[in-house]
Amino acid sequence: GQQVMQIPQYQHVQEGEDFTTYCNSSTTLSNIQWYKQRPGGHPVFLIQLVKSGEVKKQKRLTFQFGEAKKNSSLHITATQTTDVGTYFCPGSYIPTFGRGTSLIVHP
Amino acid sequence: DAGITQSPRHKVTETGTPVTLRCHQTENHRYMYWYRQDPGHGLRLIHYSYGVKDTDKGEVSDGYSVSRSKTEDFLLTLESATSSQTSVYFCAISGGDSYEQYFGPGTRLTVT
Repeated sequence: GQQVMQIPQYQHVQEGEDFTTYCNSSTTLSNIQWYKQRPGGHPVFLIQLVKSGEVKKQKRLTFQFGEAKKNSSLHITATQTTDVGTYFCPGSYIPTFGRGTSLIVHP
Repeated sequence: DAGITQSPRHKVTETGTPVTLRCHQTENHRYMYWYRQDPGHGLRLIHYSYGVKDTDKGEVSDGYSVSRSKTEDFLLTLESATSSQTSVYFCAISGGDSYEQYFGPGTRLTVT
């Protein structure tokens, strides 16, 4: 599968601060998906981006797909303790998840 | 949640013994996957299946085999378990054009 690098690996924020994680690929992606895994849980599908430059929102979460379809980002506005977890961005139809970005929110 | 279950949910076994983990789905999805998740390594693909009796290797397939004789079941076998295979194992399914995956609850395997 296509290798997608994700940064940062860990991010500590105070509740109410914004958070962004980035995914970068050396090759063009046909699509990119985002998943969230709560501590002790299983990954849960959040969204899929397919079109160049696509932007999708889910409440406080904003997902973007780059114009060249080689990068993507997830931005969370005003984090809450319920946002704690690891976020993954696999690409390719046979996804490789990697380590993801672990978000820690301090109340 | 999608209809996907894993059994057993927890297992402790000794080094050298064979172990089989089962993934069962009720969604009639074409694709099924086995992952392992370890601290520091993230989520890694072991094997996947794209149809009955059609399987392929993932990133970390050594020491594992799989079988899929029915659409709904995907078995992961450790022929001779080793301590390095202590991990949490997730099964996932996907179908349709989007390939979004739905994960099972996971199996925690400890090899002593």
